[in-house]
Amino acid sequence: DQQVKQNSPSLSVQEGRISILNCDYTNSMFDYFLWYKKYPAEGPTFLISISSIKDKNEDGRFTVFLNKSAKHLSLHIVPSQPGDSAVYFCAASAGLSSGGGADGLTFGKGTHLIIQP
Amino acid sequence: AAGVIQSPRHLIKEKRETATLKCYPIPRHDTVYWYQQGPGQDPQFLISFYEKMQSDKGSIPDRFSAQQFSDYHSELNMSSLELGDSALYFCASSLASRAEAFFGQGTRLTVV
Repeated sequence: DQQVKQNSPSLSVQEGRISILNCDYTNSMFDYFLWYKKYPAEGPTFLISISSIKDKNEDGRFTVFLNKSAKHLSLHIVPSQPGDSAVYFCAASAGLSSGGGADGLTFGKGTHLIIQP
Repeated sequence: AAGVIQSPRHLIKEKRETATLKCYPIPRHDTVYWYQQGPGQDPQFLISFYEKMQSDKGSIPDRFSAQQFSDYHSELNMSSLELGDSALYFCASSLASRAEAFFGQGTRLTVV
């Protein structure tokens, strides 16, 4: 059973517009959420994260929103640039709130973002 | 800045052979994670270590074992290799107090 779901395998956005990538989760024990960006033949690169005690975190062009009641988070990229074309993975972790350190990340299947000129 | 180093980058093995993958975490990171990513799949968590002790276990086959050494580097040992073991294997490291894990470039294992 997929605990972290990214229902859009791909997304095409025009350069300069907003890209919105969505992620849903089912495990209520998750207390930390992360977005990773991955280029072909490279390891995932950490992008931005959010703790379950927050509903928004912003870093430059990237903003992550968390809706705990809906078990939904989204990544907004504004404005989208050609270099943003990559696969974006949503990931979740449990255990930080208990002070025991993060468990292994659970990943979604990824969304391939394509920025069109 | 120093990143997570994995070796080798590419590895070709025959069925039933053994493979060893190495991971050198970011300096001062005390937690290491191993992930397996099959073709077209999301990364699957295999196992993690904190301060040289196994801390969490995911979908790691019994044929695989791993350990973290005193210098914090980790090795993933894979025996009786099967064709289905062909995948990208990523190592990541983090500080135990934070969930942000930083990934290496991966080892591409091909079993023929």
